Amino acid sequence: AQKITQTQPGMFVQEKEAVTLDCTYDTSDPSYGLFWYKQPSSGEMIFLIYQGSYDQQNATEGRYSLNFQKARKSANLVISASQLGDSAMYFCAMREIQGAQKLVFGQGTRLTINP
Amino acid sequence: DAGVIQSPRHEVTEMGQEVTLRCKPISGHDYLFWYRQTMMRGLELLIYFNNNVPIDDSGMPEDRFSAKMPNASFSTLKIQPSEPRDSAVYFCASSFSLGGTEAFFGQGTRLTVV
Repeated sequence: AQKITQTQPGMFVQEKEAVTLDCTYDTSDPSYGLFWYKQPSSGEMIFLIYQGSYDQQNATEGRYSLNFQKARKSANLVISASQLGDSAMYFCAMREIQGAQKLVFGQGTRLTINP
Repeated sequence: DAGVIQSPRHEVTEMGQEVTLRCKPISGHDYLFWYRQTMMRGLELLIYFNNNVPIDDSGMPEDRFSAKMPNASFSTLKIQPSEPRDSAVYFCASSFSLGGTEAFFGQGTRLTVV
């Protein structure tokens, strides 16, 4: 069964520093997608970045990059030059592509950026 | 497109009452997901549909919960009878069938059962 694990309930980072949010996953499907979402205090779920299991390069979107280590089954989100507006909950998610395409989420990490 | 639309945004109801949450997915999307978010349990997948057909409802907590998707543009999640422990934010999300495409979320319905 597919499973997503985020082991950091909370993280505190100084503004302008880089931050890495951890995510590990488990699946038996060789074809899957990994996603990161941001949930600010207002509550909406905002898609940030996607990585496919067969992608050769790590995904990047502006200040966001995904450190994908397939053998270790990890998909860590890296935020460079953090800003106060990055304070939010961050969720890692996985979707099996060949299977039933269920989209499951990790427990989330609450990131706080300090000025 | 206006995105995924959920209604109501907030619902306060008394224990024992029936509650119906509504969702309009993005036009053309053929997957629809219902999630429940609480502090204790995080973001739980309750049920999801493909082409209006329920694929997996193993996340539905008990028989008091039911979901339907009568057509491609509308889905409901019903709780009958409601209990205080059902208080949570309920999200609906939709996506295309390609596994590499992200799901788009509605604004959520904050349910409070008193």
